[in-house]
Amino acid sequence: GQQVMQIPQYQHVQEGEDFTTYCNSSTTLSNIQWYKQRPGGHPVFLIQLVKSGEVKKQKRLTFQFGEAKKNSSLHITATQTTDVGTYFCAGVTGTASKLTFGTGTRLQVTL
Amino acid sequence: KAGVTQTPRYLIKTRGQQVTLSCSPISGHRSVSWYQQTPGQGLQFLFEYFSETQRNKGNFPGRFSGRQFSNSRSEMNVSTLELGDSALYLCASRGGGTRTDTQYFGPGTRLTVL
Repeated sequence: GQQVMQIPQYQHVQEGEDFTTYCNSSTTLSNIQWYKQRPGGHPVFLIQLVKSGEVKKQKRLTFQFGEAKKNSSLHITATQTTDVGTYFCAGVTGTASKLTFGTGTRLQVTL
Repeated sequence: KAGVTQTPRYLIKTRGQQVTLSCSPISGHRSVSWYQQTPGQGLQFLFEYFSETQRNKGNFPGRFSGRQFSNSRSEMNVSTLELGDSALYLCASRGGGTRTDTQYFGPGTRLTVL
């Protein structure tokens, strides 16, 4: 079945440093979504990418969808303590509506 | 608009018992999906219901079942509980349930099996 892996599993940065998480799918994706889960909370939708090579920005966050639509990345510039949490990508293949979540990257930010 | 609600928020059961969890989606949403989240396995898809029909199913044993009512509210049942069923169970709703729809998650039900 479809597998979605994320690396790294965990990253600890100092406030102000940049952070990137990578998402790789074993199959070509129709679209990919990114979610953030704060400690003790539930996943919250961040963004969706649909087109090959698409790049979207949300303030300090930059999301990319690979040309082959099998990988994606999330880059945070100048991290803040409010960025702490686990970031999940979730992909859809074909016309199916089922989302397959990645393994997640836990981000820890310290002053 | 009210968000996704899940009841109960916390539950403690013993091995062999069964449990029913409830999820009320955002008003107007017809798709409800269930996920199991554990530290070791991450977020694993259980099943999705759309207009009272199970549309997708994950790789979980038959002890895990669900249903959806005509008002889109959904219930999930786990029979013959095992210790490994201890997890956060998340419910998510989306409007039409298409592949580009955003999923909105509820706060989850924390199940502990002793």
